[in-house]
Amino acid sequence: DGGITQSPKYLFRKEGQNVTLSCEQNLNHDAMYWYRQDPGQGLRLIYYSQIVNDFQKGDIAEGYSVSREKKESFPLTVTSAQKNPTAFYLCASSIGDRGRSPLHFGNGTRLTVT
Amino acid sequence: RKEVEQDPGPFNVPEGATVAFNCTYSNSASQSFFWYRQDCRKEPKLLMSVYSSGNEDGRFTAQLNRASQYISLLIRDSKLSDSATYLCVPPGDFGNEKLTFGTGTRLTIIP
Repeated sequence: DGGITQSPKYLFRKEGQNVTLSCEQNLNHDAMYWYRQDPGQGLRLIYYSQIVNDFQKGDIAEGYSVSREKKESFPLTVTSAQKNPTAFYLCASSIGDRGRSPLHFGNGTRLTVT
Repeated sequence: RKEVEQDPGPFNVPEGATVAFNCTYSNSASQSFFWYRQDCRKEPKLLMSVYSSGNEDGRFTAQLNRASQYISLLIRDSKLSDSATYLCVPPGDFGNEKLTFGTGTRLTIIP
């Protein structure tokens, strides 16, 4: 079955460490996204990629980095520069026809930094 | 105006009632919009896609008002299982994949 996989489901890190969240899709989608969600809040866009080897900053990109070397993969690195990294991180993908197609979400990764 | 605004609620509605909530947006180029449903501590799941002025799917009706720049979701004969947070993704910038969510409206159906 096609889908989008995020791993791990839960992740714990010490403050000051970089951490990379995995996102893989086998839906043959061109566009991929990373969102962050804090308790009781909506989704905020971190980065998005419309095509391989290209990505754009979203609304809260500071302290994060991404790469899109393969169509299937869009890993997110949370760097030590991110002041409040503890959150629920959601990866999504879409066909990529200029916002006319809905997003498919992974199950999310809950990151806790202490 | 913020790019996307939703009334966060909470909306506490008795079972069987009809409930509606809106989502206002500031971009107005595209023709498609979406409503997602998110259960507690889960990922959002697509509820409805709309590619024109509106769509109806069973008890759910979504409408787009371009002139006033809002989209609405109407739920009829509400069920306990409708309790969730509803997120809107309004029309985005044409030619761009950037999709911005509203903050979500929390709905609780009361027995």
